[in-house]
Amino acid sequence: EAGVAQSPRYKIIEKRQSVAFWCNPISGHATLYWYQQILGQGPKLLIQFQNNGVVDDSQLPKDRFSAERLKGVDSTLKIQPAKLEDSAVYLCASSLEGAALYGYTFGSGTRLTVV
Amino acid sequence: AQSVTQLDSQVPVFEEAPVELRCNYSSSVSVYLFWYVQYPNQGLQLLLKYLSGSTLVESINGFEAEFNKSQTSFHLRKPSVHISDTAEYFCAVSPNTGFQKLVFGTGTRLLVSP
Repeated sequence: EAGVAQSPRYKIIEKRQSVAFWCNPISGHATLYWYQQILGQGPKLLIQFQNNGVVDDSQLPKDRFSAERLKGVDSTLKIQPAKLEDSAVYLCASSLEGAALYGYTFGSGTRLTVV
Repeated sequence: AQSVTQLDSQVPVFEEAPVELRCNYSSSVSVYLFWYVQYPNQGLQLLLKYLSGSTLVESINGFEAEFNKSQTSFHLRKPSVHISDTAEYFCAVSPNTGFQKLVFGTGTRLLVSP
């Protein structure tokens, strides 16, 4: 079974520029998550999709972050404009419904550096 | 809402010594509990989880964790650590109803030296 694919692996941008990350979940996984992991901290949930609908985006900074999941499969996370404090690893994860029982699968992440 | 506290940001131990990584949680609803491990430059991997039943759960590589509902804790232990156990360990909780999601603690870096 292929894992959760993310790209790019690394990205360096200047502040105020825009950036987009892509995630391809495991086939058949209805739920998709985007997490932000700042250095020295635990991952923080930004947004959760169930198929192509948003079920939780309470911690997404909506003035600069946006995310979509077209056709309930791939997802993109965008930051526009980026700030220095957005430097982090952005993790994508997917799961079947009943995630705790069947498990969450994490991608390797995109490391973003904003300079 | 849920929250997780990992009080120890770093735990240094010698090889073959026992170790305990502490985790306490807060939640207004019943939760499932998890430990994830992140080796340097790698992704998050599930170490073990508690869903129901026996409060003591074990992993295949010798770690165990015990769910204590009264103390809202889920401490991770290993009786004898190896150099290869050096990694970041994250405790996480998920509500056991509704849309499930992981809420992570800040992590504990386990440093095993010879």
